[in-house]
Amino acid sequence: AQTVTQSQPEMSVQEAETVTLSCTYDTSESNYYLFWYKQPPSRQMILVIRQEAYKQQNATENRFSVNFQKAAKSFSLKISDSQLGDTAMYFCAFMKRAGTSYGKLTFGQGTILTVHP
Amino acid sequence: DVKVTQSSRYLVKRTGEKVFLECVQDMDHENMFWYRQDPGLGLRLIYFSYDVKMKEKGDIPEGYSVSREKKERFSLILESASTNQTSMYLCASSLDNRPGTPYNHNSPLHFGNGTRLTVT
Repeated sequence: AQTVTQSQPEMSVQEAETVTLSCTYDTSESNYYLFWYKQPPSRQMILVIRQEAYKQQNATENRFSVNFQKAAKSFSLKISDSQLGDTAMYFCAFMKRAGTSYGKLTFGQGTILTVHP
Repeated sequence: DVKVTQSSRYLVKRTGEKVFLECVQDMDHENMFWYRQDPGLGLRLIYFSYDVKMKEKGDIPEGYSVSREKKERFSLILESASTNQTSMYLCASSLDNRPGTPYNHNSPLHFGNGTRLTVT
């Protein structure tokens, strides 16, 4: 079984600054995906970024980037130039790549990020 | 755009009632999921379904059952609601990602907006 741990229940950052959210995971799988989802107050879960474990290059989506350390089983999210609209709950998630995963995701506990003006 | 619709945004029920939470998706997705979201615990998988009439238990199935009679609809049933089932319930769907299927198996989940259930 997989586990995902987010050790920061809450984080805050000033607008325009950079913040990093931490995530560690435990698995015996070698092929998998990692994701960061955002849940704003509207409750709609939004995919922020994904990383394939077999790719060494860290994924980047505009102001969002990850630091994927496979050996350390660490997957942090960096948000640059933070904006007020980034205020949300952020979830780290794991998915096995093949076999009978059926697209099941295992989620971490979540980190509430507040961006202050 | 994929749309996953949950029938109620807020629901208040009494202990012992039978509760149905409905979820409909409009993109012909094979997989559907029910998650429960609680503070400090994140999202935990209750049940999922990979085909009509097919279902499998997730991590916390106790006290719940599900029904998938049609591909687009996945219902979560609380046979006898209890106060410890007060929570946010999220439905999600995704395309088939099993080996041999044509779709790239890194399809993310598409979520509904959640049902906040209070059992009193």
